[in-house]
Amino acid sequence: EIVMTQSPATLSVSPGERATLSCRASQSVSSNLAWYQQKPGQAPRLLIYRASTRATGIPARFSGSGSGTEFTLTISSLQSEDFAVYYCQQYNNWPQTFGQGTKLEIK
Amino acid sequence: QVQLQESGPGLVKPSQTLSLTCTVSGGSISSGDYYWSWIRQPPGKGLEWIGYIYYSGSTYYNPSLKSRVSISVDTSKNQFSLKLSSVTAADTAVYYCARLGVTMMVVISWGQGTLVTVSS
Repeated sequence: EIVMTQSPATLSVSPGERATLSCRASQSVSSNLAWYQQKPGQAPRLLIYRASTRATGIPARFSGSGSGTEFTLTISSLQSEDFAVYYCQQYNNWPQTFGQGTKLEIK
Repeated sequence: QVQLQESGPGLVKPSQTLSLTCTVSGGSISSGDYYWSWIRQPPGKGLEWIGYIYYSGSTYYNPSLKSRVSISVDTSKNQFSLKLSSVTAADTAVYYCARLGVTMMVVISWGQGTLVTVSS
């Protein structure tokens, strides 16, 4: 099973600033990496797939990069609605696995 | 717009079988473009794949749960179901049903989730 490790566990950022979240895979997942956003009491929402492709309706301030084992999600200018937990997920191998999440909180 | 809705008991006793159903509306479960999946999330923790099924009945289970899991599909009712046997407190979680793309194995749609508590 591929282990996905996200860092940091918690990230404190002020509104309007940039946030950078990291995700590392225990072995190469090529570009088969997705990012999800989850708010309290809600199901996750797909943000990014294929490492860098925004899902339908996702604002341009969200961007993804990376391949192989190192990936990054960048939110260019944080809005109030962006404070949430973010998960990466690899879908290169079954079972697909998620990272443990990064909580993005208001500084 | 495709919507998914979980249903089933919110409380299950230890050693019993957890049974949930997901009803799909706004689209056909027989579409060959999707897999239909179960994912769970223990309270305050991360996400774990349980498995998924194709409309033809082909299934894929997480090896960590494979001995206890069964996922089935009823195309006539546009539903798919989860059974997890011999449950313990560790199986307490929010259970989500979800729709995955066949060509891009990411979750396109999620149900709202249902909390299942394992307790006597």
